[in-house]
Amino acid sequence: EVQLVQSGAEVKKPGESLKISCKGSGYSFTDFWMGWLRQMPGKGLEWLGIISPGGSNATYSPSFQGQVTISVDKSISTAYLQWTSLKASDTAMYYCARRGSGDYWGQGTLVTVSS
Amino acid sequence: EIVMTQSPATLSVSPGERATLSCRTSQSVSGNLAWYQQKPGQAPRLLIYGTSTRATGVPARFSGSGSGTQFTLTISSLQSEDFAVYYCQQYNKWMYTFGQGTKLEIK
Repeated sequence: EVQLVQSGAEVKKPGESLKISCKGSGYSFTDFWMGWLRQMPGKGLEWLGIISPGGSNATYSPSFQGQVTISVDKSISTAYLQWTSLKASDTAMYYCARRGSGDYWGQGTLVTVSS
Repeated sequence: EIVMTQSPATLSVSPGERATLSCRTSQSVSGNLAWYQQKPGQAPRLLIYGTSTRATGVPARFSGSGSGTQFTLTISSLQSEDFAVYYCQQYNKWMYTFGQGTKLEIK
């Protein structure tokens, strides 16, 4: 059974750094692109970026370029989404999803940024 | 950026009736169009990909159609569990984009 399991909810202060994770199982992790998406409270879905199966090529939406970093550790079948300096406006639910057609999704990680 | 426009924003339908949701794209997406269902507190669930192919485990009452820049999701006989928000998304060209969603509510 294919599963994407994300790390737990985070509460951070503005300016802090954060790295959340998404662990894939039940399939060959290096055969599929992995993406990260954001859903702000009460709003729709946005793609932040997507990374190639081996992790060599990450592509970002213009709105998120330079704001986040997507990476993978193939050895543990895990993708990451990282911030170096969080803002209050980063408060949202973040999902990982397998491939552009989003055939499997993680359960979501709620990130709350508040002073 | 390909702009996705869904209509209507809210659709009120009685259980057992048919629901038709629309999605228009600002340019051709070569059939690379997906539909998702999202219930409160849950992650989105893929229903349809490639315009008309049902994802694994999706009931046959869900069907997708369309071509060019006009796409439709039809739910043939609404069940209580179908009341949710539905999103279309194109994955033809990065940056992948979503419609703003259609909320399907009980009439």
